[in-house]
Amino acid sequence: DIQMTQSPSSLSASVGDRVTITCRASQSISGYLNWYQQKPGKAPKLLIYPASSLQSGVPSRFSGSGSGTDFTLTISSLQPEDFATYYCQQNYIAPRTFGQGTKLEIK
Amino acid sequence: EVQLVESGGGLVQPGTSLRLSCAASGFIFSSYSMNWVRQAPGKGLEWVSYISSSSSTIYYADSVKGRLTISRDNAKNSLYLQMNNLRAEDTAVYYCAREEVYGDYDWFDPWGQGTLVTVSS
Repeated sequence: DIQMTQSPSSLSASVGDRVTITCRASQSISGYLNWYQQKPGKAPKLLIYPASSLQSGVPSRFSGSGSGTDFTLTISSLQPEDFATYYCQQNYIAPRTFGQGTKLEIK
Repeated sequence: EVQLVESGGGLVQPGTSLRLSCAASGFIFSSYSMNWVRQAPGKGLEWVSYISSSSSTIYYADSVKGRLTISRDNAKNSLYLQMNNLRAEDTAVYYCAREEVYGDYDWFDPWGQGTLVTVSS
């Protein structure tokens, strides 16, 4: 199975900050990478697919980049509603493995 | 509105069985592959199982193979997960998720609200 490793596992930031979350795959997955946002007690929500396309309705302050083994999710200017946990997921090969998550907290 | 609604979770004893359901609405259910994903309390997301639109292709995570069975009824717009010989480590919120495909790429969207399965004596 492909292992997905996110860093950091948790992050404290302030409203207005620029934040970058990294996802690394254990082997090359080309651009087959999705990002999800999950708020406490809620289902995950698709943000970005594959690697850099913004899901409809997702604010443009979110962006994704990367290819091969290294990917990033960037939030250009944090808003209060962005404090959540973020997961990457590879869809290069079955099983569709997820990263362990990055919890974004208010500083 | 595209919607997925899970049901069937609850508190069960180890070794027993449970059947989860996921009712789909707002889209042509028979055209989409579907997945189950679970999340243990305080933990991350774990993909559990996949079923193609016609049920011709099915995959399972190694951790559930032989104990969990995915199925669907396209006439009833419903997805199921039969869970047998449940273990404490199966305790989790179980989400159903529609698989969207574009070319070689796929992603999960939307997800249901989840149903909690607790395995404990």
